[in-house]
Amino acid sequence: DTGVSQNPRHKITKRGQNVTFRCDPISEHNRLYWYRQTLGQGPEFLTYFQNEAQLEKSRLLSDRFSAERPKGSFSTLEIQRTEQGDSAMYLCASSFGRPSGANVLTFGAGSRLTVL
Amino acid sequence: AQTVTQSQPEMSVQEAETVTLSCTYDTSENNYYLFWYKQPPSRQMILVIRQEAYKQQNATENRFSVNFQKAAKSFSLKISDSQLGDTAMYFCAFMKQDNYGQNFVFGPGTRLSVLP
Repeated sequence: DTGVSQNPRHKITKRGQNVTFRCDPISEHNRLYWYRQTLGQGPEFLTYFQNEAQLEKSRLLSDRFSAERPKGSFSTLEIQRTEQGDSAMYLCASSFGRPSGANVLTFGAGSRLTVL
Repeated sequence: AQTVTQSQPEMSVQEAETVTLSCTYDTSENNYYLFWYKQPPSRQMILVIRQEAYKQQNATENRFSVNFQKAAKSFSLKISDSQLGDTAMYFCAFMKQDNYGQNFVFGPGTRLSVLP
């Protein structure tokens, strides 16, 4: 297992276009998270899946954002009608969720989005 | 809502010296976890150390140790014998656990530079 994989690593797009990012978590991890990170800031939570169920969404996730994890394995994050303010690094993380105990997040390298 | 504060945007330390990074948090939860994550330049975020709030003993991982003061809601990271490879952004993170899922809240980060 090579860890959490994210594609593409970089995406440059024009305002108004749609973009999709993919995350392949560690295979035995049942939990998957998406975060957004802007330059010099900490990651901001966007959404979280347990298996295929999307259990939590941040109010940062506007109607233009949608995330799926159809089979409880890989996940996609789609941004429609991109705006310049969407420019950021989009981080994916996964963990093996236990009812109790610290579920340590393993992060991917991120997908950097630049909206022109 | 939980918040995490890191009051030192940037710090520097000479190689082989010791440095302490500060973190405070605000929560009404009694059971939670605290983490320090490291993000080297242009590389993915990795876990440095974690602490369970119910444990009074401070966590230690090789050259990294924490000073956890639950009453003061303080969670500082001490790096001993600093190495050039410790140069990175350091994020303090809080995790609570509820019945529906888990969510990490990150601080804004401290940029640490280890000087030769």
